[in-house]
Amino acid sequence: QLQLQESGPGLVKPSETLSLTCTVSGGSISSTNYYWGWIRQPPGRGLEWIGSIYYSGSTYYNPSLKSRVTISVDTSKNQFSLKLSSVTAADTAVYYCARHIRYFYYYMDVWGKGTTVTVSS
Amino acid sequence: QSVLTQPPSVSGAPGQKVTISCTGSSSNIGAGYDVHWYQQLPGTAPKLLIYGNSNRPSGVPDRFSGSKSGTSASLAITGLQAEDEADYYCQSYDSSLSGSVFGGGTKLTVL
Repeated sequence: QLQLQESGPGLVKPSETLSLTCTVSGGSISSTNYYWGWIRQPPGRGLEWIGSIYYSGSTYYNPSLKSRVTISVDTSKNQFSLKLSSVTAADTAVYYCARHIRYFYYYMDVWGKGTTVTVSS
Repeated sequence: QSVLTQPPSVSGAPGQKVTISCTGSSSNIGAGYDVHWYQQLPGTAPKLLIYGNSNRPSGVPDRFSGSKSGTSASLAITGLQAEDEADYYCQSYDSSLSGSVFGGGTKLTVL
């Protein structure tokens, strides 16, 4: 059964870069039918799509975050990663990785448990 | 302000039916893009509930159903149970933003 697991620092200083990795187990990240995405949820608020990637490296970003976001994939490790630069307190959130079916904007059928990232000095 | 608009909260007694709306525009739901629904229990990750407007993944009870018409979509839950108390989110694609968009979420309270 496919599982996704987020990992990375739980505390990031303002103006620094947030870096997270999602490890895919129980399946291949190189499958042609899937895209891989990052979604976040600030405390007490709703879900926000950050961006998604295909195993070939094609990326799709939320326009509101595009200038600060980089998503990459490492097929040899079955992982994909998120980098968010110049973070502020507004970037404090639970960050989820998920698998998209068929298109980068289509539904997400498998989610990681999420990792909490706090931006604070 | 979310691109897709949901009521902040709905409630119902056990056994009753509730409906959660998701209102979009001509650049997302109205343009024909599919709507998907997620259930998020407290302290957990979202779980896919409905995909492609009205399809249920394996394991989701048929008490949950989805529909779409025009620029809106709806999630209906019949035979409410205490375990249905959660936040519910709709999701679609917006061509103006060229990306995935979520509704603001609806908190369901089972009275």
